Amino acid sequence: SQQGEEDPQALSIQEGENATMNCSYKTSINNLQWYRQNSGRGLVHLILIRSNEREKHSGRLRVTLDTSKKSSSLLITASRAADTASYFCATDGTTDSWGKLQFGAGTQVVVTP
Amino acid sequence: DGGITQSPKYLFRKEGQNVTLSCEQNLNHDAMYWYRQDPGQGLRLIYYSQIVNDFQKGDIAEGYSVSREKKESFPLTVTSAQKNPTAFYLCASSFETGRGNTEAFFGQGTRLTVV
Repeated sequence: SQQGEEDPQALSIQEGENATMNCSYKTSINNLQWYRQNSGRGLVHLILIRSNEREKHSGRLRVTLDTSKKSSSLLITASRAADTASYFCATDGTTDSWGKLQFGAGTQVVVTP
Repeated sequence: DGGITQSPKYLFRKEGQNVTLSCEQNLNHDAMYWYRQDPGQGLRLIYYSQIVNDFQKGDIAEGYSVSREKKESFPLTVTSAQKNPTAFYLCASSFETGRGNTEAFFGQGTRLTVV
């Protein structure tokens, strides 16, 4: 079973618009991370938010974390065609799942010029 | 250059054969991971290791085996017991800080096809 579930599964927007995707998870975590994958390639780390943080920014990225709801969101502002990729959340487990880095199913984002 | 290297990039296996996928990192990372990705799907955890000579099963370990004899290396063997091994395999590594793992660095993947 997958720890994280992203929503929506797919998102199509135009350049300049914002893209928002959500991630829900099931068990307690040390941190939550977001990654990007271009087709057929490895994943690239975007941002990490710790369990005691609520919001984090990095350039055009904004991540929120609500541990009471076990959910996170990733916002990409002013999207560009180069943002076209799949985006995954990953949870770094704690206690019985210490060191277990699990990924969700991903959101496929297409940005059209 | 520092990084994580997977080899080979493409691998073809006959049914009934075992094959081993290589993963090497020179980032001095403690933790290493193996994932399987099927077309249009997310990553599923096969095995992970936080320290040399120790590793744990992930969510889909059946039909796979690993070893962690050196910090730098975490090879994955896909055995004949894995019924549907055709997939994209990704290896990753990260630091373990005591407060959880840091960002993971990924290799470029090995695409395994059963012929």
